[in-house]
Amino acid sequence: GAGVSQSPRYKVAKRGQDVALRCDPISGHVSLFWYQQALGQGPEFLTYFQNEAQLDKSGLPSDRFFAERPEGSVSTLKIQRTQQEDSAVYLCASSFFQGREETQYFGPGTRLLVL
Amino acid sequence: SQQGEEDPQALSIQEGENATMNCSYKTSINNLQWYRQNSGRGLVHLILIRSNEREKHSGRLRVTLDTSKKSSSLLITASRAADTASYFCATVPGNQFYFGTGTSLTVIP
Repeated sequence: GAGVSQSPRYKVAKRGQDVALRCDPISGHVSLFWYQQALGQGPEFLTYFQNEAQLDKSGLPSDRFFAERPEGSVSTLKIQRTQQEDSAVYLCASSFFQGREETQYFGPGTRLLVL
Repeated sequence: SQQGEEDPQALSIQEGENATMNCSYKTSINNLQWYRQNSGRGLVHLILIRSNEREKHSGRLRVTLDTSKKSSSLLITASRAADTASYFCATVPGNQFYFGTGTSLTVIP
């Protein structure tokens, strides 16, 4: 079946603009994760959903970052008033359930460049 | 901050050679997973090793785990040019995944 998809794949924003990044997880996957990956670094956890409930948002760097998953499938990560330090690849991952031995399936990421 | 640290940061080998990369972490874990990332792509799961396991094999991959030293190693045998990618360990102490900084592997044909 289809994997995790993300859109747009690339986004260029002027500093101060708001952006919205979309993630379509694998159908039936309960858990959804957002990560931020800076150049040359590993992914850093941002937030986690189980169905529509946002169970952990401890990794969101500021209140400019907001994520939602209103119907328990598609998720949107919104960044308000973007700043240059927000430039990174934003990865979405899903897993069938929420468990410690679950593996995560990653999307290709959205590369955000803030000018 | 990230949990794991991979070593080396970059590794270049000839096709057919073995590649070994290491991961050190800080806290107790439930399991440790290795992922691979090709340039410009998402991560792909390779192998999971539980905290009560010491070694695991999957095809050309061999993973070891030493919980007393809080370290793991990934061995890729008989490397191929297609193995060129970045490799990350992910520690799972609870419900979150913590990824390391990655090892960039280049396999020269």
